[in-house]
Amino acid sequence: GQQLNQSPQSMFIQEGEDVSMNCTSSSIFNTWLWYKQDPGEGPVLLIALYKAGELTSNGRLTAQFGITRKDSFLNISASIPSDVGIYFCAGRPGTYKYIFGTGTRLKVLA
Amino acid sequence: ETGVTQTPRHLVMGMTNKKSLKCEQHLGHNAMYWYKQSAKKPLELMFVYNFKEQTENNSVPSRFSPECPNSSHLFLHLHTLQPEDSALYLCASSQEWRTSTDTQYFGPGTRLTVL
Repeated sequence: GQQLNQSPQSMFIQEGEDVSMNCTSSSIFNTWLWYKQDPGEGPVLLIALYKAGELTSNGRLTAQFGITRKDSFLNISASIPSDVGIYFCAGRPGTYKYIFGTGTRLKVLA
Repeated sequence: ETGVTQTPRHLVMGMTNKKSLKCEQHLGHNAMYWYKQSAKKPLELMFVYNFKEQTENNSVPSRFSPECPNSSHLFLHLHTLQPEDSALYLCASSQEWRTSTDTQYFGPGTRLTVL
């Protein structure tokens, strides 16, 4: 089946630092979604990307749809303790079902 | 705040029990989904309903039985489950399945434990 690699798997950062994570696919995707999931809760949509090269921001979060259409990046600027959680990417080839990454677990040290 | 609610939030059941999970969306969407989330594994799509019609069954065992009486409500009926079915069950909705802007919004999930 199709693979979606998300990295890093986990990261510890200091409060105030910037964070970067990415997802790569073995095939071309038409849509990328980024979610955040807190413990015991469902994923919350952060950013949706529909076009190659698209750069979209949501507060301190910025995500980009890679030009090759095989990757996407999420950046968090000036991290704060409430940024802790698991960040998932989801990509879709065509208009079929989404494929989800295994998540990046972010821990912020105050 | 996501507009998708799920009940119960936690459920413990024995292997011989019958229970149901409920999902309701208040977003005016036409597609609803059940996903299974197990530890350290990607989300697994189980079922898709588009305009109340089941359009996808991702090889899910028959001990899971979905029901979609209308576009706002989705149920997952459970019977004779196995301990390996313990997981977080997530409901999601989107405007319409298999469209170019089919962005999915998730509920908070039901944490299911099968003893």
